[in-house]
This record gives sequence, C-alpha cells and structure tokens, in this order.
Amino acid sequence: EVQMLESGGDLVQPGGSLRLSCGASGFSISSYAMSWVRQAPGKGLEWVSGISDTGQSTYYADSVKGRFTISRDNSKNTVYLRMDSLRADDTAVYYCAQDRIFLRGQGTLVTVSS
Amino acid sequence: DIQMTQSPSSLSASVGDRVTITCRASQGISKYLAWFQQKPGKAPKSLIYATSGLLYGVPARFSGSGSGAEFTLTISSLQPEDFATYYCQQYHSYPFTFGPGTKVDLK
Repeated sequence: EVQMLESGGDLVQPGGSLRLSCGASGFSISSYAMSWVRQAPGKGLEWVSGISDTGQSTYYADSVKGRFTISRDNSKNTVYLRMDSLRADDTAVYYCAQDRIFLRGQGTLVTVSS
Repeated sequence: DIQMTQSPSSLSASVGDRVTITCRASQGISKYLAWFQQKPGKAPKSLIYATSGLLYGVPARFSGSGSGAEFTLTISSLQPEDFATYYCQQYHSYPFTFGPGTKVDLK
C-alpha cells in the first residue's frame, strides 16, 4: 500500500527554522517528482515547492522563495522541506505529494507564533 | 503564473443530484489538471489526475473532462459522503496552482 508520512511540524517562534520530512512506503520516490502543499487554517490549498526525481531541479512559490529549501534523499525514500525565517503566515498543515499531485498523507502542523 | 478559478464557489444539492463544478485556467494547460476532495477536519484526498483519470478506489460516479483551459468535475449522483470541498490544480508548469475551491453542501 502506498503511504506517505509527513513529520517535523511544531510550534516555532517568528524568525525560527524547522525541517519537515516526508517518508514514503509502498513505492520508490526515486521515480517521481515530489511536491509540498500547505493549507493555512480555514483557507484553501497552496502549492509550496517541488523537486525533480533526481533532485537537480527545484521550484518554489513566490511566498516561500529564498526562505524554504526542498531536498530529497532517494536512498531513504524521504523528501524534506527546510523552512527558515518563518512568519506567522506560514502557519499551516503541510502535505507532501507523490508525482507532483498525489496527496496520500495526513500532513504535519506548523504553527509560527510567539 | 497560471491562475485557476472555480465556479461556483459553493452549491447546495440533494442526494441523487447531478453536480458539475467548472475549473478554468488563465492559459492552456493541456491535460495537466487534477481534482481533490476535502472533508471538514480531514486531509485532502486525490480524486482525478490528467483531467479524467480516476485514482484507484474513487467511485465511478466521479468523472472529469475538459481540455486546454476549461475543465469540469461531475458527480453523476451525489451521495451523502460526497458533501465536501473540491479543489482543482494545474500541474502544467511551475509554480503549480490550485483553484479556490467549491463547497458542496446539503440543500
């Protein structure tokens, strides 16, 4: 069964950093581009970042460009999202997506507040 | 960036109704359109990929169609478990973008 488990969410102060992980099982992420998507409380879905299957190409929404870094370790079947200079409007549940669009996890909550 | 719009933003329907939601892109996106369903308090669930491909386990009452810049999600006979918010997303070019969502509730 294909599963994805997001983890690493926490309460962090404005300006702080966090690293999210997305561990996959039931498939090898090495065959797929991967993405991160988020949803702020009471809001719609927002695409955040994407990475090619090899990791050579990365993409970001303007709202996170220069602050977030996506990476992957195909040997660990895991995708990461490093988040720096966090702001209150980064507060959201973060989901990872297989093959750019397939959401299969329950997400991890990031709360940015003092 | 490609902008996505959805109409209507909300609709009220009864069990058994046929429901259609429209998603429009600000430019052509070929077939690269996905649909998601989200119930209150739950994670979003992937329904449809590449405009019309149903994910495994998605009931056949769901269907997608369209091409270019206009797409539709149709629920042929609305069931109680279908009351939810539906989002479209283009994955033709980065940054990928979502529509604002369509809330389907009980009339």
